[in-house]
Amino acid sequence: QKEVEQDPGPLSVPEGAIVSLNCTYSNSAFQYFMWYRQYSRKGPELLMYTYSSGNKEDGRFTAQVDKSSKYISLFIRDSQPSDSATYLCAMSHLQKLVFGTGTRLLVSP
Amino acid sequence: EAGVTQFPSHSVIEKGQTVTLRCDPISGHDNLYWYRRVMGKEIKFLLHFVKESKQDESGMPNNRFLAERTGGTYSTLKVQPAELEDSGVYFCASSQVGGNYGYTFGSGTRLTVV
Repeated sequence: QKEVEQDPGPLSVPEGAIVSLNCTYSNSAFQYFMWYRQYSRKGPELLMYTYSSGNKEDGRFTAQVDKSSKYISLFIRDSQPSDSATYLCAMSHLQKLVFGTGTRLLVSP
Repeated sequence: EAGVTQFPSHSVIEKGQTVTLRCDPISGHDNLYWYRRVMGKEIKFLLHFVKESKQDESGMPNNRFLAERTGGTYSTLKVQPAELEDSGVYFCASSQVGGNYGYTFGSGTRLTVV
């Protein structure tokens, strides 16, 4: 069983839609939870991180962590074509990141 | 501020050959990490340097992989001899302080072993 499970998609939405991306995990030792965005032929770029449980908002992006359910989410409001990318959840313990496989998001104009 | 630079961006080699990947971290970043994504799989940790010392190399797949960071600046990852299953994208990341977030990733080296 993988430590982090993430639906690979692709997820196709029209411009302006609310997008919900999710990951589940099995290791209760994870304390930091991150979302990375990766464009084609580029490296992962940190979007947001959350420590322990709770919500965090940054512009159109909201990250949620529910440690009791071992479930994390990223919401994107008013999605734009420029949001089209692969979104990777990642969790860390002892300075090592454990990634999900990534969800490919396509936002059509 | 220049980002994390990796080269080559793409390398195609034959099975049994040797390949050396290079990573130049952001200047002043003591922490340097190598990660790898094999086709269809998630990105996985390989190892972590603090300056020139290996802090954690628990993710290195086998002794065909050798990572170095002489002088605590750039790092190299050598694969010798390369096998077909080594194909994938190798990412380098750096951070100023050790921690569990805040890494800056390079664009990766796409390695194809044929």
